[in-house]
Amino acid sequence: QITLKESGPTLVKPTQTLTLTCTFSGFSLSTSGVGVGWIRQPPGKALEWLALIYWDDDKRYSPSLKSRLTITKDTSKNQVVLTMTNMDPVDTATYYCAHLEMAPTGGIDYWGQGTLVTVSS
Amino acid sequence: EIVLTQSPATLSLSPGERATLSCRASQSVSSYLAWYQQKPGQAPRLLIYDASNRATGIPARFSGSGSGTDFTLTISSLEPEDFAVYYCQQRSNWRTFGQGTKLEIK
Repeated sequence: QITLKESGPTLVKPTQTLTLTCTFSGFSLSTSGVGVGWIRQPPGKALEWLALIYWDDDKRYSPSLKSRLTITKDTSKNQVVLTMTNMDPVDTATYYCAHLEMAPTGGIDYWGQGTLVTVSS
Repeated sequence: EIVLTQSPATLSLSPGERATLSCRASQSVSSYLAWYQQKPGQAPRLLIYDASNRATGIPARFSGSGSGTDFTLTISSLEPEDFAVYYCQQRSNWRTFGQGTKLEIK
């Protein structure tokens, strides 16, 4: 059974760096074709892809946020960490981590429950 | 970045009716388009991948079609549990979501 869970601060101040950890079970991020991604959703708004890391350590980022994002994995701990620098109130959102496989679907088949991060002074 | 435009923004229908949701891409995404359903307070759920393939466990009333820049999600006969927000998402060039279509009860 695949599960993912996000952890990190619920409140950050403007200009601070956000660090979120995705801890997962039921799969290995060293298995060919597997990836873990981060997606966010501001309250009442649409979903937005942030970053994605694959089993081979290939990393992809949202072009508009690339300068602020870093994604890493620790295969031994079954964790993926996302850092986002220079946080702003517009970054207030629920942040999801998610599992995907390149085949057959290429889509997200498992999601974490999400964690609401509020950016406010 | 590929922009996905969904229409309509809101669709008001009754149970038993047919729903047709549209997603248009700013450039071709081939068939690399997925549809997700999201209910309030929940994470999204994958319905359709690669334009027309139902994900595991998805009822046959959900179908997808299209290629290139124009895609459609059809729900043949709405069940009460189908009222939700639907997002399209492409994976041809990075990954982006549309802005969503809210399917509400009329």
